[in-house]
Amino acid sequence: AQSVTQLDSQVPVFEEAPVELRCNYSSSVSVYLFWYVQYPNQGLQLLLKYLSGSTLVESINGFEAEFNKSQTSFHLRKPSVHISDTAEYFCAVSDQGDDKIIFGKGTRLHILP
Amino acid sequence: NAGVTQTPKFQVLKTGQSMTLQCAQDMNHNSMYWYRQDPGMGLRLIYYSASEGTTDKGEVPNGYNVSRLNKREFSLRLESAAPSQTSVYFCASRGTGYNQPQHFGDGTRLSIL
Repeated sequence: AQSVTQLDSQVPVFEEAPVELRCNYSSSVSVYLFWYVQYPNQGLQLLLKYLSGSTLVESINGFEAEFNKSQTSFHLRKPSVHISDTAEYFCAVSDQGDDKIIFGKGTRLHILP
Repeated sequence: NAGVTQTPKFQVLKTGQSMTLQCAQDMNHNSMYWYRQDPGMGLRLIYYSASEGTTDKGEVPNGYNVSRLNKREFSLRLESAAPSQTSVYFCASRGTGYNQPQHFGDGTRLSIL
């Protein structure tokens, strides 16, 4: 069965510094990968997704994620974080043939002033 | 665009009371899901419905029942609420295709005293 591991439960980072949130999934022939963001007291919103093609995908607010098949990873990065990026971030994986999407346990991003 | 609508947003129950959480989506999605979110546990799937007329158990179904009333609506029922069911409940829907992301409602914050 598919599984998703987010290695860090919390990541503190200073404002304007770069950040990487790590995500690894168990191997599969064909997977679709997603990052979701959850702001305080809100539901999850899709941040970006990898379906096929270019291994680097970008969101509209400066985040990017790179699909690495050999390392079964889909790490999320941002070169310079802002206080408004304070949120919890969830990595998720979908398999061919499975109606469910498997979520990691989330990484809470704390932006320090 | 309403997307996924959950009602109520907040509820306090006494142990042993029953309650139904409502969810409706206006995106003509086939699949719908109920999750609970607890600190440090990420999202845990309670039940899901891959299409109108079908429901399946997820990771933590005990103590819950669901009804896929029609294509738009998917309700979650607690027959006899217990303090362990205090949580934030999220409903999600998904379009056809394993490359489709899930769309989430804003959640129902439920406290069982």
